[in-house]
Amino acid sequence: GENVEQHPSTLSVQEGDSAVIKCTYSDSASNYFPWYKQELGKRPQLIIDIRSNVGEKKDQRIAVTLNKTAKHFSLHITETQPEDSAVYFCAASPYSGNTPLVFGKGTRLSVIA
Amino acid sequence: NAGVTQTPKFRVLKTGQSMTLLCAQDMNHEYMYWYRQDPGMGLRLIHYSVGEGTTAKGEVPDGYNVSRLKKQNFLLGLESAAPSQTSVYFCASSYSNGPQHFGDGTRLSIL
Repeated sequence: GENVEQHPSTLSVQEGDSAVIKCTYSDSASNYFPWYKQELGKRPQLIIDIRSNVGEKKDQRIAVTLNKTAKHFSLHITETQPEDSAVYFCAASPYSGNTPLVFGKGTRLSVIA
Repeated sequence: NAGVTQTPKFRVLKTGQSMTLLCAQDMNHEYMYWYRQDPGMGLRLIHYSVGEGTTAKGEVPDGYNVSRLKKQNFLLGLESAAPSQTSVYFCASSYSNGPQHFGDGTRLSIL
C-alpha cells in the first residue's frame, strides 16, 4: 500500500521568509496530492491540492510542486505571516477507486514575528 | 449547510464502558471516514465507507466498529473502551476519493 513520508517534522521561520515542506510517496498509482492545514485545536482544512497531470499549482502565497518521476511533492509558502503557524499535512491517493488518502505525519510550522 | 457535524464534542469514559460517536454530513458525499489523532502520530484512519451499507478497515481498526446505515451518517462505536483509545477523533467526508471535509472533532478521554 501507499506510504507517505513528510519532512521536516518541525520548522521555524522568520516572518516574511519562505517555508518549504516536502513529502515522498511510494505508490506510482497515486495521482492526487492534497495539503491540509490544522490550527491548534481546530479541524484540518484543505489549502491546496494537485493532480498528477499538473506539475505546479499556485494560490496566492501558497504553491505545490509535483515530481512524479521522483515521487515527491512539496508545499511552498512565501512571505510567511504569524497566522501561517499551524501543522501541515500532505497526503496521497489514487483519485479514482476506493483507496483512501494516506497522510504524512505532519509538519509543525512556527512563524516568528 | 453545516458540512460535517460530530457529536459529542467531548466525552470522558471509564475503562470498559461503551459509547458511539456520531458523524453527520449534509453534502451528499458518498465517502466517509473516521480518524484518530494522537500527538506526533498525524491522522490515522480507523475505518471508512465508500457508500451506504459499506464499511472497510483502515490502518488502526482494532477495538472499533462502524456502521453506515444512512448515506449521511457514519457511526463509530467503542464496545469496551481502553485508556489507549484516549484521543481526538475526526470524521471526514468526500465525493469519490477527492478533497476531504473534516468535522470539528471529538475529544475522548478514557480513565
